[in-house]
Amino acid sequence: EVQLVESGGALVKPGGSLRLSCAASGFTFSNAWMNWVRQVPGKGLEWVGRIKKKTDGGTTDYAAPVKGRFIISRDDSRQTFYLEMNSLKTEDTAVYYCNTALDYYDSTGYYSGIYWGQGTLVSVSS
Amino acid sequence: DIVMTQSPDSLAVSLGERATINCKSSQSVLYSSNNKNYLAWYQLKPGQPPKVLIYWASTRESGVPDRFSGSGSGTDFTLTISSLQAEDVAVYYCQQYYGPPYTFGQGTKLEIK
Repeated sequence: EVQLVESGGALVKPGGSLRLSCAASGFTFSNAWMNWVRQVPGKGLEWVGRIKKKTDGGTTDYAAPVKGRFIISRDDSRQTFYLEMNSLKTEDTAVYYCNTALDYYDSTGYYSGIYWGQGTLVSVSS
Repeated sequence: DIVMTQSPDSLAVSLGERATINCKSSQSVLYSSNNKNYLAWYQLKPGQPPKVLIYWASTRESGVPDRFSGSGSGTDFTLTISSLQAEDVAVYYCQQYYGPPYTFGQGTKLEIK
């Protein structure tokens, strides 16, 4: 069973930093491109950024509001990826989700579908 | 950026009736190399993570009732609920995952008439 578990959400002051983690299981993590998505309370969904798998370069892309402040990284040996958030603003307050869209074959079978974690709350307030 | 536009913004449908939500992308999300549309539909209820209903535009997620169906290709997509149930009251979003930023529609609020 595919599982994604976020952690690291907290209350932080404007200008502060925080690192979120997403632990993955149930699929070959190294084969997956991974995303962070956020939902501001009472508002819609906003894609934050993604990291490709290493064999596709391991590169990252970010949404404009977070570019230059947030950094996504991955540790395939731990089946975990991260969202480092710097220079936090009050408008970054949201529930942060990790997610992935799978579509690959490997020795264990065919993996296809979109999976989300349960989310972790980040509150930025003085 | 690919802009996703949903219609309508809100919808009230009687129990047992059909609900239809549309989603239009500003450019095609059909990837020619594998002939897949990189389009998903989600159901969002307060305090819960997004629930995946449909991916690849028309593949129903395991466990999702078959009253939910997705259709369309290229730039125009539709989510249909064939017979509305009370538990379907929620906000529905489409998302393209063709190219970053992976944009969402603005959401459609579905209520019971």
